Amino acid sequence: DGGITQSPKYLFRKEGQNVTLSCEQNLNHDAMYWYRQDPGQGLRLIYYSQIVNDFQKGDIAEGYSVSREKKESFPLTVTSAQKNPTAFYLCASSIGTGPDTQYFGPGTRLTVL
Amino acid sequence: AQKVTQAQTEISVVEKEDVTLDCVYETRDTTYYLFWYKQPPSGELVFLIRRNSFDEQNEISGRYSWNFQKSTSSFNFTITASQVVDSAVYFCALSEPRRGSTLGRLYFGRGTQLTVWP
Repeated sequence: DGGITQSPKYLFRKEGQNVTLSCEQNLNHDAMYWYRQDPGQGLRLIYYSQIVNDFQKGDIAEGYSVSREKKESFPLTVTSAQKNPTAFYLCASSIGTGPDTQYFGPGTRLTVL
Repeated sequence: AQKVTQAQTEISVVEKEDVTLDCVYETRDTTYYLFWYKQPPSGELVFLIRRNSFDEQNEISGRYSWNFQKSTSSFNFTITASQVVDSAVYFCALSEPRRGSTLGRLYFGRGTQLTVWP
């Protein structure tokens, strides 16, 4: 089945540690995105990538890093510089950028202990 | 600036009632796209509909219908004869057109939590 997978579903991290969230898609989409969702909030854009080996910062990129070495994969690293990392992280992809419909993965819930 | 407002934070209804979720948007663009997504308790956002700014026809899909009114900058979503499985958070989103290599990003409202009681 075509879709977007994120792993793990739940992730716990100690303060001061970096952690990487996985996002894989087999939809042959060019564009991929990372969003952060906090309780009672809409989704906020962290990073996006339009093509392989290229990515741009979104609204809240500080404390996060990404890579796009393969079309199918867009991992997000939450670094120790991110002051409030506890949140729900959603990965999405679309055929291209612009008004193309974005399709979402199941999300990863990160908790910092 | 782009902005999407979903003024209803939470709505509770009893099964079989009709319910309307409001979405008001702001944009200076004449070409734009509007979306609705559903987020069930599992967390994944499920795409429901996409509309462009030139198409003001109402859309109906089963128990779901959407009313797009440019005059009031609204894109409201109605569920007819609601069911318990409709319980979820619903997000409205706005996309600006892509300019050059600039991303045509999605701006999300804060969502409306719909609870349908049996």
